[in-house]
Amino acid sequence: SQQGEEDPQALSIQEGENATMNCSYKTSINNLQWYRQNSGRGLVHLILIRSNEREKHSGRLRVTLDTSKKSSSLLITASRAADTASYFCAIWSTSYGKLTFGQGTILTVHP
Amino acid sequence: GAVVSQHPSWVICKSGTSVKIECRSLDFQATTMFWYRQFPKQSLMLMATSNEGSKATYEQGVEKDKFLINHASLTLSTLTVTSAHPEDSSFYICSARTSGSHNEQFFGPGTRLTVL
Repeated sequence: SQQGEEDPQALSIQEGENATMNCSYKTSINNLQWYRQNSGRGLVHLILIRSNEREKHSGRLRVTLDTSKKSSSLLITASRAADTASYFCAIWSTSYGKLTFGQGTILTVHP
Repeated sequence: GAVVSQHPSWVICKSGTSVKIECRSLDFQATTMFWYRQFPKQSLMLMATSNEGSKATYEQGVEKDKFLINHASLTLSTLTVTSAHPEDSSFYICSARTSGSHNEQFFGPGTRLTVL
């Protein structure tokens, strides 16, 4: 399966702390994307990192990609209660022609 | 970013009825649309991929006669759940991609289907 696997499945932290989520996959990819989903809502695209990139930043978000280990991490710095959501990684491979999602990490940030 | 809408946002129906969900790309032409299903506390699972003007490609285990997909125009795709049953209750999300972009898909807000 090309599906990404994420850990941890759930993460509970205090406001102000950093949150790190990891994603591993099995196939070769063209890019990896991170999405956020608030409970019962649609997906919000956070960041896309290409296979030839190693790190990318967007505001309080930092994404790394290690293609040799087939893994990626999403770091949210100085977390806020509003960051409480499910976070999914998704891999895109031209070979498969579709975006495949990981199982997700449920992040809870306590005020 | 590009906007994708879905209608309805939620629907409740009786077992045995059919439900149609629309997915529209509002400000771009979507040559490819994807339909996902998400059960509570689970990830998105791809159901099918549809290209404008051609038959949809279904993922393994998805019944094409039960989940009818029509992608008749570059801005509209529909998913019809035929003879819905309680186990079809789920969150259905569509996504659209343009021919020029292999990198990013734009997601609709989802449709919550509850079958009684």
